[in-house]
Formats: sequence, C-alpha cells, structure tokens
Amino acid sequence: ETGVTQTPRHLVMGMTNKKSLKCEQHLGHNAMYWYKQSAKKPLELMFVYNFKEQTENNSVPSRFSPECPNSSHLFLHLHTLQPEDSALYLCASSQVYGTSGSSYNEQFFGPGTRLTVL
Amino acid sequence: DQQVKQNSPSLSVQEGRISILNCDYTNSMFDYFLWYKKYPAEGPTFLISISSIKDKNEDGRFTVFLNKSAKHLSLHIVPSQPGDSAVYFCAASATRGGADGLTFGKGTHLIIQP
Repeated sequence: ETGVTQTPRHLVMGMTNKKSLKCEQHLGHNAMYWYKQSAKKPLELMFVYNFKEQTENNSVPSRFSPECPNSSHLFLHLHTLQPEDSALYLCASSQVYGTSGSSYNEQFFGPGTRLTVL
Repeated sequence: DQQVKQNSPSLSVQEGRISILNCDYTNSMFDYFLWYKKYPAEGPTFLISISSIKDKNEDGRFTVFLNKSAKHLSLHIVPSQPGDSAVYFCAASATRGGADGLTFGKGTHLIIQP
C-alpha cells in the first residue's frame, strides 16, 4: 500500500448505529487530519493530530470521536449520527516542519469514505 | 464567512489554450497557499504551492501567481490538456510547515474541450 488509504470507501448507517472510519498513511508523516466535505460546501477541517496529540478540534459535535493510536493510523468513531452528517470524509497526512527537514505543509489525502446516514 | 473564495464554480477551456483559475482570500494571516486537483471518487491531490514571500512559482505547465496586496492568487495551466479536466481547490494555511489544518475554497470545475 502506498500513500493514504481509507476504509471503508462507502458506508450506510442508521442513526442509532455505531461505526468507525479508518485511515492509514504509509508516508512516514507525523501529522494527520480529518476533513468533511458536504455537498456544495468547501472541505471543512474537523480534527488535527500532531505527533499523536490532538491539537485541534474544529467545533465538531461529540457524536464524532477521533482516535490516533500511532502516527500511521487515525480513526473516526461515529455514533448517533444525523442525516445531515452524510458527506465525504477525507483523511490527510503531512510532515510537520522541523522533524525531518521538511519545510512544507502539503497535505496528502486519502480517497475518502462516502457516508450516508439514514 | 468564507476565508477562501473561488467565485467560478466552473470553467470551460479549449485544449491547447491557457486555463486560468482564480482564488481570493480574506485572512491576512495566511502565509502559504496550495492548489489541489480532484477527480471523481478520489481524494484531492497536491498540485503546486506558493509561500507568501514569493509572487510566482512554476512547475512544468502549472504556474501559481500571488498578489498579496489584492489577496488574490491564480493558477495558470498552459497548454491545457484533456487530463486536466477535474475540480481544482485553492487552499491556504496560516502556519507554513506547521500541523495546521488547511482552509479550502469550494472548488472550480475545469472542463477541457477537445
């Protein structure tokens, strides 16, 4: 596997279900991100993990719960979602300035999980 | 209030001609700007970036121009090719090199006509 992978690619769930989205990066990066893309809206940042520590929670409802067990894996746990949470959920990773000489903030994205909440 | 704006939802350009995609921003703290390209059913892929200390960055057929006083940047693709048909997102960051989330525009759908 190369780059950033996400599973599942598609997910349909009811409002009472509990599910998890998984992201794995094979780039040796030390920062990971969750974004949400709703129809006709720009990508919206949800969470940032830097060296496995959550450094940003962009006012996301508590029904979304992130987990970053190590620098290569990122999860988004979902419970009691609403139909308006239906969207494309994208994971990204980047190398933070200073840890390996990189001085850029390019984020590399996975293919996304298309979530539908019924 | 959107801090990064792409006011053209779509743009149609003839193959071989120049494509110019525009982006405006409002946050003067942004110091690093990126363009991403997205095909259907795929995640965005990084295309080119520019730091606020520069006004131009070129990579092959792609050139990004930054006008800080106008808070405006543009992406030029020349010559345009059929494979360039995709949605292009402008993004900005306030901490270059830091683990900062990116702020995205809504995207411009570029269609290259044969």
